[in-house]
Amino acid sequence: NAGVTQTPKFQVLKTGQSMTLQCAQDMNHNSMYWYRQDPGMGLRLIYYSASEGTTDKGEVPNGYNVSRLNKREFSLRLESAAPSQTSVYFCASSELGGSGANVLTFGAGSRLTVL
Amino acid sequence: GNSVTQMEGPVTLSEEAFLTINCTYTATGYPSLFWYVQYPGEGLQLLLKATKADDKGSNKGFEATYRKETTSFHLEKGSVQVSDSAVYFCALSYAGGTSYGKLTFGQGTILTVHP
Repeated sequence: NAGVTQTPKFQVLKTGQSMTLQCAQDMNHNSMYWYRQDPGMGLRLIYYSASEGTTDKGEVPNGYNVSRLNKREFSLRLESAAPSQTSVYFCASSELGGSGANVLTFGAGSRLTVL
Repeated sequence: GNSVTQMEGPVTLSEEAFLTINCTYTATGYPSLFWYVQYPGEGLQLLLKATKADDKGSNKGFEATYRKETTSFHLEKGSVQVSDSAVYFCALSYAGGTSYGKLTFGQGTILTVHP
């Protein structure tokens, strides 16, 4: 039971480089999310996709783009990386399509360092 | 907007000690409340949840009661173990308006339990 799989687990970039974080879930969930985790700030929502074919901005979307490729896959792209984007990124998915009691399943995280 | 505030950490306890991690929230309406746990090197996983006032969520010896009058959802465990060492996140999910289904997290509390 793979759950939510993120790649890569670690990445080092130089300022201005681009990269894509990949995420796939095998639980047939409707909704998918990208969060970033920074010390002392908890998790902050970057983008989410309530269902296949839709994406919306979260709390901190600047500098990022997303693609909901199909129901399974939700990628996060950094077009021109900045040191402020150094963080741990988590992908998550949920079954209920956005209801109030929304239980998320998280991937193991991708640690990104921008020099 | 919605927000979650957790007690400052880190928290260091001896094995078999009593644990309380305070969590208060600000939200309109009736959010669902969650505790997630993150073990070292892993993603977050749901520990327990409560969906309405006076509900008690429980799992693995941990408990939290949804107190609407004090807007709180404090996490407790009567006797902690070394294996409980992790980061604990309080979160809310609100089923209304533009916040539909999205989780808002507190900043996290690091718990270390010594033998």
